[in-house]
Amino acid sequence: AQSVSQHNHHVILSEAASLELGCNYSYGGTVNLFWYVQYPGQHLQLLLKYFSGDPLVKGIKGFEAEFIKSKFSFNLRKPSVQWSDTAEYFCAVNARYSGGGADGLTFGKGTHLIIQP
Amino acid sequence: GAGVSQSPSNKVTEKGKDVELRCDPISGHTALYWYRQSLGQGLEFLIYFQGNSAPDKSGLPSDRFSAERTGGSVSTLTIQRTQQEDSAVYLCASTKTLQASGRNEQFFGPGTRLTVL
Repeated sequence: AQSVSQHNHHVILSEAASLELGCNYSYGGTVNLFWYVQYPGQHLQLLLKYFSGDPLVKGIKGFEAEFIKSKFSFNLRKPSVQWSDTAEYFCAVNARYSGGGADGLTFGKGTHLIIQP
Repeated sequence: GAGVSQSPSNKVTEKGKDVELRCDPISGHTALYWYRQSLGQGLEFLIYFQGNSAPDKSGLPSDRFSAERTGGSVSTLTIQRTQQEDSAVYLCASTKTLQASGRNEQFFGPGTRLTVL
């Protein structure tokens, strides 16, 4: 079974700092990769996703992520964070699909990001 | 339009009691998922419904957990003889696709916070 590791459980940054949140997964086959975000008091929502093609994907609100197959990684980045980026960030993997499997996602434990004004 | 809704938003119950959690997916969405988010843990996939197909129950942690989806829309997650370790936030998500691909964006509800005393 696949697993997802997010190494940073709590991150505190100042506004305008650069951000990189690590995500590693354990699955040797084809994977579909996602980052979800949960702002305080709000639902989980999709930030960005990678299926194939260009390994550098761009999402909403200036976020991007790079898929590095050799490292089994899908790190999330943002060059300059804002106070409004304070949220919980979840990396997720789907490796179940094999022509009939479920779309159930395997999530990491999340990273709680706090941006100080 | 309306998103995924869940009820109740909070549920406090005594150990040994049964509870039912409800999910109303986005209208027209054919696939529905249940996840559990425990303190300090990521989101754990529980069960998946796709159209009229038999549900994928591979994530259910024990036979005390069951779920059904009536009329291809509303779903109910039932936990029998609740235990303290069942305390968690139970999240429901839905997607509109007719076919599982591992690539479908999931739209999440606000969750039900279950506390078992």
